[in-house]
Amino acid sequence: GQSLEQPSEVTAVEGAIVQINCTYQTSGFYGLSWYQQHDGGAPTFLSYNALDGLEETGRFSSFLSRSDSYGYLLLQELQMKDSASYFCAVRDPRRDSNYQLIWGAGTKLIIKP
Amino acid sequence: DGGITQSPKYLFRKEGQNVTLSCEQNLNHDAMYWYRQDPGQGLRLIYYSQIVNDFQKGDIAEGYSVSREKKESFPLTVTSAQKNPTAFYLCASSIGDIPNYGYTFGSGTRLTVV
Repeated sequence: GQSLEQPSEVTAVEGAIVQINCTYQTSGFYGLSWYQQHDGGAPTFLSYNALDGLEETGRFSSFLSRSDSYGYLLLQELQMKDSASYFCAVRDPRRDSNYQLIWGAGTKLIIKP
Repeated sequence: DGGITQSPKYLFRKEGQNVTLSCEQNLNHDAMYWYRQDPGQGLRLIYYSQIVNDFQKGDIAEGYSVSREKKESFPLTVTSAQKNPTAFYLCASSIGDIPNYGYTFGSGTRLTVV
């Protein structure tokens, strides 16, 4: 089957750096997306990686290794407002478009002062 | 500001009732989606629509129905055939089939069966 695995919870200290991992097992691969969701709120799009390597957007970076079927989201200079759940998602390879994604179960990031 | 508006924020349904969740967007996006989110799980696709007057079933369409009569609107009806409807429902839209821009989500409707 098609699946994505993320840790259910990660704890870090304010001001530190944290990495949230995502491994995928899919019959095909077209790119990895990351979303942030605060409790009870709307998910917001953070990044999309189609090629190997690190892409940086401010305090957030996203990394992809297609040979390892693995990616991560790196958050630097953690702030309390970064406390949220983070989801990785990939296009469902059984479909012929990007309209159907497969989502990980999400990683709850807890930040301590 | 452009965005997606979902209403109501909270909805209570009695057993055997149909209820309709509203989703409106002013982003001029062609594609719209309905997702269901249960605690500790990823998002699951109910229905999506690539264009007006056309929509496709997602992985968990049973017990749900949609319409897409206008580009801006994509309402979801939870029918009495949906046996476990209590969940958080999210509507989203995207600029067609381009993953780089991601999805824009609404703030969700929390549906509870009473």
